[in-house]
Amino acid sequence: RKEVEQDPGPFNVPEGATVAFNCTYSNSASQSFFWYRQDCRKEPKLLMSVYSSGNEDGRFTAQLNRASQYISLLIRDSKLSDSATYLCVVTRSGNTPLVFGKGTRLSVIA
Amino acid sequence: DADVTQTPRNRITKTGKRIMLECSQTKGHDRMYWYRQDPGLGLRLIYYSFDVKDINKGEISDGYSVSRQAQAKFSLSLESAIPNQTALYFCATSDSGPQQYFGPGTRLTVT
Repeated sequence: RKEVEQDPGPFNVPEGATVAFNCTYSNSASQSFFWYRQDCRKEPKLLMSVYSSGNEDGRFTAQLNRASQYISLLIRDSKLSDSATYLCVVTRSGNTPLVFGKGTRLSVIA
Repeated sequence: DADVTQTPRNRITKTGKRIMLECSQTKGHDRMYWYRQDPGLGLRLIYYSFDVKDINKGEISDGYSVSRQAQAKFSLSLESAIPNQTALYFCATSDSGPQQYFGPGTRLTVT
């Protein structure tokens, strides 16, 4: 079983829609969690960290469920510019490398 | 100027050739990483280095070697390139925190 699993998509949604991505991780020792965004043919960039209490950044909300080893990302009021691949990322500690999921592709359609 | 640069940005080479991909960073980070990305397989870690004297194998190090010439420079070598090493290669850096900063990538094609 892969350490981080995501639904690859693609998710095709109209502008203004709300879309949610899910991610599961297999290592219960994982301590830190993130969502990265990668535009086509570009480098990944940090979108947001994921905290146990859940956190929000504008239209983006991230949730963590440690008991179920599950992470989610909710995007409200989708924009065309949200079209990208979203990578779920976990790490066990500051001294272990990040582990990336394969990514979920989102296309927002006008 | 970009904080993390990679050279070359694109390279086509033949099977059996030796090739070096270079990465430089101006962020002052101690930690540097090399990944490859293939369609459907996501980002996979090749090698990483937490300081100049530290080199660690990642998930897929076979067929690759690295050199950490200085805090700011981390090179990836393919001693004898083969077609299944055709991929998009990313270098990344970080401090002791979890956020990584990626270079723009090198698209390598081995024919």
